[in-house]
Amino acid sequence: GNSVTQMEGPVTLSEEAFLTINCTYTATGYPSLFWYVQYPGEGLQLLLKATKADDKGSNKGFEATYRKETTSFHLEKGSVQVSDSAVYFCALTRLGGYQKVTFGTGTKLQVIP
Amino acid sequence: EAQVTQNPRYLITVTGKKLTVTCSQNMNHEYMSWYRQDPGLGLRQIYYSMNVEVTDKGDVPEGYKVSRKEKRNFPLILESPSPNQTSLYFCASSTTEKKQETQYFGPGTRLLVL
Repeated sequence: GNSVTQMEGPVTLSEEAFLTINCTYTATGYPSLFWYVQYPGEGLQLLLKATKADDKGSNKGFEATYRKETTSFHLEKGSVQVSDSAVYFCALTRLGGYQKVTFGTGTKLQVIP
Repeated sequence: EAQVTQNPRYLITVTGKKLTVTCSQNMNHEYMSWYRQDPGLGLRQIYYSMNVEVTDKGDVPEGYKVSRKEKRNFPLILESPSPNQTSLYFCASSTTEKKQETQYFGPGTRLLVL
């Protein structure tokens, strides 16, 4: 079956530090890959996505590249801000197969001034 | 404003007392889904619906029921809640257009079963 593995958190960084949150997946076929972000007390919202190999998703300074050869979709940001403090979820779904979405366990990021 | 709404946002109940958590979306989405979020486990899918009168089990459906009588609403029903259903619940919706699988989430319902 499908699965998503994220690095354990929490991750604590100083403001302006470089961020990497690792995500690897196991899936049949060719899944679409997502990063969702959950700010305190809120629901999840889409951060970025990629639908095929070598695609790069980007938004708000965050980037992730769909690497089929390493089955990875690592999230990166060059300079984090305090406002980036949140829980980040990696997820996958087959193209057109949104029926069963698989989420990772989430990685909590705390950015300190 | 495009949104998914859930009610109630917080609920404390006792074992065995039937409850319903409502979910409504105003985006005319065909697909709707319920998840529960538990520490260390991430989000797990309970049930989903591809359209009106079409529902199917997700990964953790035991103890839950759903219905989809109207396109905009997808209530989650706990017929006889138990303490292990204490959790944070999210409803989500999405269009079924190809390459548009982004899910839109409600604000969550925090449920405590005593």
